[in-house]
Amino acid sequence: IAGITQAPTSQILAAGRRMTLRCTQDMRHNAMYWYRQDLGLGLRLIHYSNTAGTTGKGEVPDGYSVSRANTDDFPLTLASAVPSQTSVYFCASSPSGSFNEQFFGPGTRLTVL
Amino acid sequence: AQSVTQLGSHVSVSEGALVLLRCNYSSSVPPYLFWYVQYPNQGLQLLLKYTTGATLVKGINGFEAEFKKSETSFHLTKPSAHMSDAAEYFCAVSAAGNQFYFGTGTSLTVIP
Repeated sequence: IAGITQAPTSQILAAGRRMTLRCTQDMRHNAMYWYRQDLGLGLRLIHYSNTAGTTGKGEVPDGYSVSRANTDDFPLTLASAVPSQTSVYFCASSPSGSFNEQFFGPGTRLTVL
Repeated sequence: AQSVTQLGSHVSVSEGALVLLRCNYSSSVPPYLFWYVQYPNQGLQLLLKYTTGATLVKGINGFEAEFKKSETSFHLTKPSAHMSDAAEYFCAVSAAGNQFYFGTGTSLTVIP
């Protein structure tokens, strides 16, 4: 059982470049999420999707975009990376319902120079 | 609106001592509450959750937490710390709309 996979594991990126972080889940969960984790700030929600075909903005959406063409995949795109987007990015998924826990991927460590 | 406050960004305990990690929440509706653990260079794993029913919730690895509505708290405890408990711990609250709100985390160090 894979659960949630993220790719790449880590990446060093030049500022101004475009980058897509990939996230795939095999649990058929309706909801998916992207977070960034920064020291002292915990996890902050970037974008979410409650079901395939819909997306919503989280707490820190600026500079990021997402799409949800199907249930399994939820890519996060940085159109033009900036150094402040250096972070660890986590994808998560959950069944519908606020009482359900979220399941997390292993994370992508992104450095923007 | 929902929010979570974790008191103490760093907690150190001796091996075998009580672990107490504090979490207070605010929520305009009855909350669902969660504790997650993160080991170095890994994603978050669920320790335990409170949805409804019994207010004392038992989780994995000997951890438990008690939901106290009057104190708006959901503190995490473990009677006897083990070296393997050293990790980052996050409290989270969820309400309507599937969204989670995480605390800023508490780093637990276990001293041999």
